[in-house]
Amino acid sequence: EADIYQTPRYLVIGTGKKITLECSQTMGHDKMYWYQQDPGMELHLIHYSYGVNSTEKGDLSSESTVSRIRTEHFPLTLESARPSHTSQYLCASSEPRRLAGQSSYNEQFFGPGTRLTVL
Amino acid sequence: QKEVEQNSGPLSVPEGAIASLNCTYSDRVSQSFFWYRQYSGKSPELIMSIYSNGDKEDGRFTAQLNKASQYVSLLIRDSQPSDSATYLCASGYSTLTFGKGTMLLVSP
Repeated sequence: EADIYQTPRYLVIGTGKKITLECSQTMGHDKMYWYQQDPGMELHLIHYSYGVNSTEKGDLSSESTVSRIRTEHFPLTLESARPSHTSQYLCASSEPRRLAGQSSYNEQFFGPGTRLTVL
Repeated sequence: QKEVEQNSGPLSVPEGAIASLNCTYSDRVSQSFFWYRQYSGKSPELIMSIYSNGDKEDGRFTAQLNKASQYVSLLIRDSQPSDSATYLCASGYSTLTFGKGTMLLVSP
């Protein structure tokens, strides 16, 4: 099981501020993900990375950006926060596992999340 | 578009009963399926994964997969009040698509 850390856990900021949400994992997992989840709604993938210097956009369009300079670190940045960015942001990581005779699969493990409120 | 459908619930069961949670998925090429438990205000916690047709048991949990019907289920035996949570179904390969989740309420 992965140890994944997210900071801050809660953030309340004003419109127009630049923010960075931190995510770190200690298991050496190559794959990392950022999801956005509103109350009572499903998780939406906004960014993912397959390794250092690899970043991809997810299914949900997001104004945020990510970087992957080190394996263990996958920060998410909003250049100018708006009230529409208010949400819970969840970071996850995974490592491929292979069953005999089958393709690899990825069990994703989540960090505790950052609840962002933009006033 | 890949979709994972779940009944939002709530599903109410008495303590000690079997809770049955269901999920259907649209992407026929999905090879891996997962059940996550999410308590209110917390992040999802992986409880079961299944990749082959049939049943997979782990303690009080049994996952069932039927790829022909594109159907995944989770059975929770001897349900406890601490099982009260939202259960998320997910499917995919390199990335996952999540359902909205089914809220389970276990009454003492």
